[in-house]
Amino acid sequence: DTAVSQTPKYLVTQMGNDKSIKCEQNLGHDTMYWYKQDSKKFLKIMFSYNNKELIINETVPNRFSPKSPDKAHLNLHINSLELGDSAVYFCASSQGPRGGTDTQYFGPGTRLTVL
Amino acid sequence: TQLLEQSPQFLSIQEGENLTVYCNSSSVFSSLQWYRQEPGEGPVLLVTVVTGGEVKKLKRLTFQFGDARKDSSLHITAAQPGDTGLYLCAGAGTGGFKTIFGAGTRLFVKA
Repeated sequence: DTAVSQTPKYLVTQMGNDKSIKCEQNLGHDTMYWYKQDSKKFLKIMFSYNNKELIINETVPNRFSPKSPDKAHLNLHINSLELGDSAVYFCASSQGPRGGTDTQYFGPGTRLTVL
Repeated sequence: TQLLEQSPQFLSIQEGENLTVYCNSSSVFSSLQWYRQEPGEGPVLLVTVVTGGEVKKLKRLTFQFGDARKDSSLHITAAQPGDTGLYLCAGAGTGGFKTIFGAGTRLFVKA
């Protein structure tokens, strides 16, 4: 009964490739997020969607494009991967749009390694 | 820019000891949250504090929100090996839509 699931768990790829990470939540939440956690464990918001609408778009390179086909899914596509993209990417969801006060439920993370 | 600074960055203690982790900012936050993250997993919410001066207890964990809502502390009594993990404080950014995380305190409790 995984609440927030991500695939794949691990992703190893070459520089310049395009890759996608998928996220699904079965909590019935309206809001979903993508976070990036770097090697120093610093967790930073990238995007958030509420009812399939983009509400947070932090200063992220255009190579990153989120897509929300429905409320339960938020995918992250990354073009032209660079070494600096190596990190753990977390998907999260919350009932309301205010991530700073609502309880966010995080997925297990996708460890992306760019060689 | 709203920033949250956590201290210490790393803490290694013996089972049974008490400890306090701090989360400080020069900005006022409408609320602060504490998460715990274990290796290979996502963060899990422990508590949300919303009122200045608020104190919340969760078994052996005591959370306090500063009166001015610029800081918070997490106190663990009689730490156990199961408390080992990365503790993250997080604050609601302006408007509450964005969560700003501190860099975390890595706690290791030795048996």
